[in-house]
This record gives sequence, C-alpha cells and structure tokens, in this order.
Amino acid sequence: GAVVSQHPSWVICKSGTSVKIECRSLDFQATTMFWYRQFPKQSLMLMATSNEGSKATYEQGVEKDKFLINHASLTLSTLTVTSAHPEDSSFYICSPRATGWETQYFGPGTRLLVL
Amino acid sequence: AQSVTQLDSHVSVSEGTPVLLRCNYSSSYSPSLFWYVQHPNKGLQLLLKYTSAATLVKGINGFEAEFKKSETSFHLTKPSAHMSDAAEYFCVVILSGGYNKLIFGAGTRLAVHP
Repeated sequence: GAVVSQHPSWVICKSGTSVKIECRSLDFQATTMFWYRQFPKQSLMLMATSNEGSKATYEQGVEKDKFLINHASLTLSTLTVTSAHPEDSSFYICSPRATGWETQYFGPGTRLLVL
Repeated sequence: AQSVTQLDSHVSVSEGTPVLLRCNYSSSYSPSLFWYVQHPNKGLQLLLKYTSAATLVKGINGFEAEFKKSETSFHLTKPSAHMSDAAEYFCVVILSGGYNKLIFGAGTRLAVHP
C-alpha cells in the first residue's frame, strides 16, 4: 500500500495557540487530500477536502477560518488549528488520494490535546 | 443518499472462534464498499474492498466479506479469531460524485479473549 506520514504524531498545546499538522504522501502524488477528525470512541468525521492548488471545501459545521488547510503540492498538505481550544482536542487524520484511485490510504494520525 | 450502518458497537469473541461484524449499506446504485481496521493509536489499514467484481471478497489477515445486494449487507467474517485482531473496525462506502468522499460507519470494537 501507499505510504503516508503525519507530523507530529502527538502535540500538547495551550489554549489560544495555533498548531500545524503536516501530511505527506511519500510514494505517490496526492491530487486530493481529505482531513478527518476522530473524537474518542467515535467514528471518523470528514472535515474538509482539497485539491492541490485549490481552496479546500469544508463540511457543514467545520469553521474554515479555524481549520486552515493548505495543499500547495502533490505530496504535502497541512492543517492548522488556529486559536485552539480544549474542545479541539481530537485525533486528526489525513487521507491523500491519487487521481483515478478508488482506494484511500490514511496517515497514522495526530493526537492533539489542548490544555 | 449513501450510508452505512454497523449493527454492533461491540463484539466479543474467544480466540479461535469465528468473527462476524455486521454492516448494512444504503445506496441507490451498486456501491463501492470497504472495511478498514484501526488498532489503538494507529492509523487505518485497509482490510478489503468491494468494487462490483466478485461478491465474495478476500482481504488481509484471513478476513473476508460478502456483498449481498438482496440484503444490502457487507458483513465481515473471519473463521478463527486471533488476539491481534482486537481493534476497531469500520465499514465504509464511497459517496459518489464530486470528490467521491468516504462515508464511515460508527465502528465496531472487537475484543478477543483467550
């Protein structure tokens, strides 16, 4: 399967600070990137979808000004949680997809804890 | 609209006994369906996928799933559970159109006892 990395794997930050999460597709070019959020003991919820070089499309209820997504290249996408609050504490998972692929691969996830 | 329903939030089996994780889907046409597994604090791993070819799909680690259109089901099975199978399992359908987004079921936590 395809190799996807996320950095950092976990982060603890103070309320009000911003946190950037990187997602890299190491052996393929990701034309589309999906970002998911998973709260404890819950399923994955899609936050936003982006195509390389385009603005992200956000799901209903997800604030685009709070969760900034940059998909500047075919191998790198970033999610920045701005002015993080304790309720943003969650497991964030990226999922890049190459053009024409039906199978989606997932990053290992980033666990965010906001104090 | 496409959706998936995982009928059991928790399943507990003894090591060496069969595993059945149930999933029903809703789709107006033939869907693409997947099973993913998530081990604690790890990313999701694809177990198997159905994309309108053979209805019985074999995946990794001895898992398989059968697509039954008449029952709108895609249940995941394994003949003999292993301790390492303990994890969270997600049934997933592709929402066609646009970006072809994945729609996740609520998940089933599988516990395997010695």
